[in-house]
Amino acid sequence: GNSVTQMEGPVTLSEEAFLTINCTYTATGYPSLFWYVQYPGEGLQLLLKATKADDKGSNKGFEATYRKETTSFHLEKGSVQVSDSAVYFCALWPGTYKYIFGTGTRLKVLA
Amino acid sequence: NAGVMQNPRHLVRRRGQEARLRCSPVKGHSHVYWYRQLPEEGLKFMVYLQKENIIDESGMPKERFSAEFPKEGPSILRIQQVVRGDSAAYFCASSPQTSGQLYTEAFFGQGTRLTVV
Repeated sequence: GNSVTQMEGPVTLSEEAFLTINCTYTATGYPSLFWYVQYPGEGLQLLLKATKADDKGSNKGFEATYRKETTSFHLEKGSVQVSDSAVYFCALWPGTYKYIFGTGTRLKVLA
Repeated sequence: NAGVMQNPRHLVRRRGQEARLRCSPVKGHSHVYWYRQLPEEGLKFMVYLQKENIIDESGMPKERFSAEFPKEGPSILRIQQVVRGDSAAYFCASSPQTSGQLYTEAFFGQGTRLTVV
């Protein structure tokens, strides 16, 4: 079956620190992979995506590479800001109508 | 160029009341999906609808919950006799009908936060 596993939070970092949020998946076939961000009190925003192996998605300084050999899609950012504080969701779309979401990782960035 | 529009953004209901959540899909999209996010959890699939048809409601509680997507107007998720455990964020997503692929990537709305007091 399809599943997504994210590292548990909360993750607390100082401003300008390097961020990694781990995400691994299991899937049949060749899914697309996504990172969504949810700011406090807000809805879901698509942050980046990758549709096939070795693709790199990037947006707002965040990056994630679709690694088929390790079934991973880790989110990284070289220098986080206070405004990056949010909950980050890794998600998988297996090409059907159901998205599979991870449980979310809360990031808190301290000034 | 509006995306998926959900309203209200926030809804407060007393126990036993009804909650109606509305979702207007992206213009031209004929597939609608509802997801629920319980506190501190990820989003879970509830139901998939096409115009006037429920395709898959396997993720929806059997009692008190219903969904529709009429020929005209928005999709409605209806929760009767709400209880505190229904407090959650409810997200709607939509995708277009295509002639090539069976399914395409969906676009998510901002969600409705339901609080039951």
